[in-house]
Amino acid sequence: KAGVTQTPRYLIKTRGQQVTLSCSPISGHRSVSWYQQTPGQGLQFLFEYFSETQRNKGNFPGRFSGRQFSNSRSEMNVSTLELGDSALYLCASSLEGQPAGNGYTFGSGTRLTVV
Amino acid sequence: DAKTTQPPSMDCAEGRAANLPCNHSTISGNEYVYWYRQIHSQGPQYIIHGLKNNETNEMASLIITEDRKSSTLILPHATLRDTAVYYCIVRFPRGNDYKLSFGAGTTVTVRA
Repeated sequence: KAGVTQTPRYLIKTRGQQVTLSCSPISGHRSVSWYQQTPGQGLQFLFEYFSETQRNKGNFPGRFSGRQFSNSRSEMNVSTLELGDSALYLCASSLEGQPAGNGYTFGSGTRLTVV
Repeated sequence: DAKTTQPPSMDCAEGRAANLPCNHSTISGNEYVYWYRQIHSQGPQYIIHGLKNNETNEMASLIITEDRKSSTLILPHATLRDTAVYYCIVRFPRGNDYKLSFGAGTTVTVRA
């Protein structure tokens, strides 16, 4: 079956712009989580959505937001981009009800570069 | 808020077993130990998880000490493709935090 699909794969934006990243989970998975990965901070949790509702949010400023659609696809948006937002953004999907550890499948990520 | 301690790096010879230690001295009774790995520029990949008993699958074996304060991930015959960052995570299998807390992990380099 198809894995987690993230688009675009690479993106270059200018400071002050905004960006929208997309994640399509594995068919049947209703939970989508987002992570930011930078060399200095490692993998950090951004937020998690289930059935179009945000259930948990990490410690990121309000410039980072997300949403989930009825088909479980999710988008995250970053407004007023800063140089420090340059990172690999990863999306993970999981099937609700399964043990979480073996239920998370990650996409290959979107590499965002802010110049 | 990672609750595990791993060595920052280790080398392994191709074809030999790689033993990756993880300390989780504050693990609670119902928390599981999970291992993920991340090959360069890809998303993390689930490897194995366990609670008390040793576990084995097609990728690796997980040995958990009797007091559950530490564990070892074993890659039985390391290949060059096993070069990656390996993350040890402890958490409840279900709950309301809905996230994985990654530490710095162990960078494993398999050498020919």
